[in-house]
Amino acid sequence: EPEVTQTPSHQVTQMGQEVILRCVPISNHLYFYWYRQILGQKVEFLVSFYNNEISEKSEIFDDQFSVERPDGSNFTLKIRSTKLEDSAMYFCASSAQGARNEQFFGPGTRLTVL
Amino acid sequence: AQSVTQLGSHVSVSEGALVLLRCNYSSSVPPYLFWYVQYPNQGLQLLLKYTSAATLVKGINGFEAEFKKSETSFHLTKPSAHMSDAAEYFCAVSDSSYDKVIFGPGTSLSVIP
Repeated sequence: EPEVTQTPSHQVTQMGQEVILRCVPISNHLYFYWYRQILGQKVEFLVSFYNNEISEKSEIFDDQFSVERPDGSNFTLKIRSTKLEDSAMYFCASSAQGARNEQFFGPGTRLTVL
Repeated sequence: AQSVTQLGSHVSVSEGALVLLRCNYSSSVPPYLFWYVQYPNQGLQLLLKYTSAATLVKGINGFEAEFKKSETSFHLTKPSAHMSDAAEYFCAVSDSSYDKVIFGPGTSLSVIP
């Protein structure tokens, strides 16, 4: 069964460093999303992406964040200068044309900022 | 604005007992409602979804949920709990824009042998 994959599973970085979290959505999906879950808190929407541009973003998704679909398969989230409060689990999701309300989630990347 | 509340951050049931996880939503438009499950160290798996068809929705692993508009509720049930059901359960809401899913705070389910 097709699934969303994410790499790495765990990323440790120093405050102020740039990180790139990678996702491979399900191959025929057209809509892509990033969410995050701070430890012990609920899952929060960050950004949605369609047709090579951002559809919607939350107030969390400030200028430090960017997303990109550099090729036909990868979808990345970049944090330019990480802060301690960026430590969280980051989930990528994708959905298909005609079934946008069913988002398939990846296993997540745990980001730890020291 | 849409929101989701889940009553009970932690629920414990005995193996074989009824599972009832509560979810209430707030939405100004007809909602799409979801239950996701997160097993330890894993991603989010869709259990079931309501998209304005039948009000009683059946999902995977024997779970079902009933949409009650008058109560703005979408409670999750399973007649008989299994040890493998121990996980975190998230209720979520979306609207017709589909651009984001709003998650509730989650309920951690423990199953006691």
